[in-house]
This record gives sequence, C-alpha cells and structure tokens, in this order.
Amino acid sequence: EIVLTQSPATLSLSPGERATLSCRASQSVSSYLAWYQQKPGQAPRLLIYDASNRATGIPARFSGSGSGTDFTLTISSLEPEDFAVYYCQQRSNWPLYTFGQGTKLEIK
Amino acid sequence: EVQLVESGGVVVQPGGSLRLSCAASGFTFDDYTMHWVRQAPGKGLEWVSLISWDGGSTYYADSVKGRFTISRDNSKNSLYLQMNSLRTEDTALYYCAKDKGKGDYFDYWGQGTLVTVSS
Repeated sequence: EIVLTQSPATLSLSPGERATLSCRASQSVSSYLAWYQQKPGQAPRLLIYDASNRATGIPARFSGSGSGTDFTLTISSLEPEDFAVYYCQQRSNWPLYTFGQGTKLEIK
Repeated sequence: EVQLVESGGVVVQPGGSLRLSCAASGFTFDDYTMHWVRQAPGKGLEWVSLISWDGGSTYYADSVKGRFTISRDNSKNSLYLQMNSLRTEDTALYYCAKDKGKGDYFDYWGQGTLVTVSS
C-alpha cells in the first residue's frame, strides 16, 4: 500500500496570505496525484489532478506541483472560502487508491 | 449538471446487512467507472470499491473484500453497494463518486449516506 503523509496537520493563515501544503508518498507515484478540498458538511471537491492540472472550474490561485514522492498544493492568495480540509490522493497503485490524512487550513 | 444522490444508510447491528444506492444523472452513466468512498466520523477519506463502466470489473479495498459487493444497473443509471457482515468500524458516511474516466480520479461526488453499525 502506498502511504501518503500530509504536512502540516493544521495550517493557520490569514486571508490574502500564501498557503503551501505538502504531500509525501511512501514510494514513487509518478505524477498520479490529486488534491481535493472538503468544507464542513460537504463532499470533497476535485481541485488538481495529475499533480498540476486544475480541474474544471477551479480558480487559478490553486496550483499543484511535484512528481515522484513529493508534491505541493499552493494557494497563492487565500480567500475566505478557501479555509477547509485538503486531501491528496494517488492513483499510481490502481486500483488501490489511497488518500493522505488531510491538512486543515484554518483562519488565523 | 452532474448529480449523484445516495440513499439507504441506516443504523444496523454488527453482523447485519445493508444495501446502498446511488442515483446518477447529468452525464452518460455507462461511459464511466464509478466508486464508493467512505469517511468515518471526524476522520479522513477511504476508497472502498470501484466498478467498470460495464460492470465487468470490480475491485475492493482489503478492509471490505469478501463482505461488500459493488454493482450497477446502467438501464437505471444506478450504482449499488451490498454490505454484509457489517462491523462497527464500517460506520461512516458513504459517498458515491464518478470517475473522471476509466480508472482515474473522482471528479463528482454525492452528498453521502450515513451508515451506523451499532448494537
């Protein structure tokens, strides 16, 4: 099983600041990594797929980078609606998809 | 507009059975692989199972293999999850999710249906 480890567990920032979230894989997943956003009481929403491609309708302030074992989700300037939990997910070891444990992005 | 609506979640005793349903609309259902993903209360996401577009291939997480069965009825645009031998650790919100393609990421999700396994 490929284990995804996200850091930090919680990130406290203010609107307008830049957010950098990390996801590290226990073995290479090439570029087969996605990022999801989940707000309280809502289903997850696909933000980024294949490490760096924005999903349909996702604002340009969200960007993804990385390959192999180290990946980053960057939110260039935080909007109030961006405070949520973020999960990474790999599909390299198809069909045994795995998710990271999540990073909570909270308002400072 | 893509819509996925889950139903069937209830409180059930350990060892019991349950069938979840997911009604899909807004896309050509039989073009896509479909998934079930679950989230225990206050916890992260866990992929549970997938079924290919034609139902010919199914896969399961080790935690549910041999106890859960995924199926689909393309004539009804519906996805199902038969859950047997339920355990307390199966307590979770169960999401139906559409695959971006045929073994890809999850691009649309339902709102989930809550399964509680408790005596």
